[in-house]
Amino acid sequence: NAGVTQTPKFRILKIGQSMTLQCTQDMNHNYMYWYRQDPGMGLKLIYYSVGAGITDKGEVPNGYNVSRSTTEDFPLRLELAAPSQTSVYFCASSPRRSGNTIYFGEGSWLTVV
Amino acid sequence: DAKTTQPNSMESNEEEPVHLPCNHSTISGTDYIHWYRQLPSQGPEYVIHGLTSNVNNRMASLAIAEDRKSSTLILHRATLRDAAVYYCILRDGAGGGNKLTFGTGTQLKVEL
Repeated sequence: NAGVTQTPKFRILKIGQSMTLQCTQDMNHNYMYWYRQDPGMGLKLIYYSVGAGITDKGEVPNGYNVSRSTTEDFPLRLELAAPSQTSVYFCASSPRRSGNTIYFGEGSWLTVV
Repeated sequence: DAKTTQPNSMESNEEEPVHLPCNHSTISGTDYIHWYRQLPSQGPEYVIHGLTSNVNNRMASLAIAEDRKSSTLILHRATLRDAAVYYCILRDGAGGGNKLTFGTGTQLKVEL
């Protein structure tokens, strides 16, 4: 059981480039999330999805886009990368209802230079 | 989103119990109290969660105040591997994706 899988683990981008962070879960979870974590800080929610075809903004959505075409996949797209997007990105998934555990991926380290 | 307040850091000696406090005075009736921890260079890891009653699992215990405005995570015998940032989080039970809103957490240091 792989859980939540993120790729790539490390990436260096140049300012203005675009890329997609991939996230896949094999637990048939309805809810999926993207968080970013800056050094010494807690995680901030970028986007979330409650099911295929449904996405919504979190706390810090600017500069990012998401899609949810299947239950398993929740890719995060960075358009026109900026140095402020240098961060660690975590994908997570959960069954419905707040009494359930959220499972996190191992993270993707992104540097924009 | 309801907020939580935790001390920035705490220290413990190995093999001793650790009590990590959390205040959440604006908690709503549908919010679950979750605790996660994060080791260096890793994603957050689930520790325990509860709604109203105290909870125990193999990792820890969660003591919830009767008015639910505070809670305490109890590690019964701290080990060096328990050194991490511990997040106390209210998970919105009213819908909207049941999001977790992270604060800055408590950095737990465990010494020999």
